[in-house]
Amino acid sequence: QSALTQPASVSGSPGQSITISCTGTSSDVGSYNLVSWYQQHPGKAPKLMIYEVSKRPSGVSNRFSGSKSGNTASLTISGLQAEDEADYYCCSYAGSKGVFGGGTKLTVL
Amino acid sequence: EVQLVESGGGLVQPGRSLRLSCAASGFTFDDYAMHWVRQAPGKGLEWVSGISWNSGSIGYADSVKGRFTISRDNAKNSLYLQMNSLRAEDTALYYCAKDRQQWLRYYFDYWGQGTLVTVSS
Repeated sequence: QSALTQPASVSGSPGQSITISCTGTSSDVGSYNLVSWYQQHPGKAPKLMIYEVSKRPSGVSNRFSGSKSGNTASLTISGLQAEDEADYYCCSYAGSKGVFGGGTKLTVL
Repeated sequence: EVQLVESGGGLVQPGRSLRLSCAASGFTFDDYAMHWVRQAPGKGLEWVSGISWNSGSIGYADSVKGRFTISRDNAKNSLYLQMNSLRAEDTALYYCAKDRQQWLRYYFDYWGQGTLVTVSS
């Protein structure tokens, strides 16, 4: 069970859009529409931002969107705001297991 | 309001055991799968184990399989993780997390604040 691959860091200016990729295999991301994304601020518990590839839980801003193509899922944040600066993690169903990505640090310049 | 409160962490010597507990409130506990997710200091998230609403489906990460046992008591609204043969690499903040579904789907919509496990001699 290998971790999903995410870029270590991404950055963007306020108002811009950024995309974070999450690459898995045909055994996880590629086979199931069960990818979720989490935001984690320092010292805080993670927060669910996207589930089932592109669905937003109640209360999550529509600036956050998700998609998937083949073995790669993506999280897009539009209209970047200072409060979006955080670590982001993807997670996928992988049969009887769950697998996270290594995490991406988003810096808002 | 959904609340998940972990307990049972602490300092333990390598090879010893520890049992974590998670007390749940604010939702119908036996309607949802539950999970343990850990985060080593300064590192990313790692899914550890999950259990379906009726304990009929259970999964473990390869790194803990054979050493850790997950269980739940729906009458007590509680989730447990029995950790045996602990290793230094098990040192982490252990989160209890609620799934959005009855079965293991790995959508963690609520998280506790975590309990710290430190394995060291």
